[in-house]
Amino acid sequence: EAQVTQNPRYLITVTGKKLTVTCSQNMNHEYMSWYRQDPGLGLRQIYYSMNVEVTDKGDVPEGYKVSRKEKRNFPLILESPSPNQTSLYFCASRLAGGLTDTQYFGPGTRLTVL
Amino acid sequence: RKEVEQDPGPFNVPEGATVAFNCTYSNSASQSFFWYRQDCRKEPKLLMSVYSSGNEDGRFTAQLNRASQYISLLIRDSKLSDSATYLCVVKENTGFQKLVFGTGTRLLVSP
Repeated sequence: EAQVTQNPRYLITVTGKKLTVTCSQNMNHEYMSWYRQDPGLGLRQIYYSMNVEVTDKGDVPEGYKVSRKEKRNFPLILESPSPNQTSLYFCASRLAGGLTDTQYFGPGTRLTVL
Repeated sequence: RKEVEQDPGPFNVPEGATVAFNCTYSNSASQSFFWYRQDCRKEPKLLMSVYSSGNEDGRFTAQLNRASQYISLLIRDSKLSDSATYLCVVKENTGFQKLVFGTGTRLLVSP
């Protein structure tokens, strides 16, 4: 089954404790992205990757890091989480190029930083 | 001005009603447009692409007006299961072809 998986699905942590949210896709997609979704603000892109070892900042990259060592994996790293990073996070992937390609989202990770 | 703007709603309609959502976008160079559906706190899923000539998928019709830079979604014969948030999405015409999401319009269909 074609899918994007994320782990963990739910996480409660404390300020400053480094964490990683994993993301994996089995569709051989080149493009992958991380978003955060907050009430009234919609989906905002944090980082994106166009292929292995090619990553770039999205609209709200502060406080986050990513890596793309393998095509299928795109982990999101919070080196020192803060309460303003409490949010719902989605990983997504899609094929490169094309006008009508679908973006597939993972199930989401609900993060609470105390 | 936001890149993609939608009325947040909620739109409260009875079963069987016809409801329409509009969305405006600011980048006139945008070439691809979509509607995604998101159920409460779940992942967004593609509902349909929006073509210049307009397109229909069952009870759903999407239209694009490039001159006025707006996209519409019409839902006929609303079902309870249509209750969700509908996200308007515009693909930028840049190297990464970034997807820009509206904040969504919430639809509540009642019996």
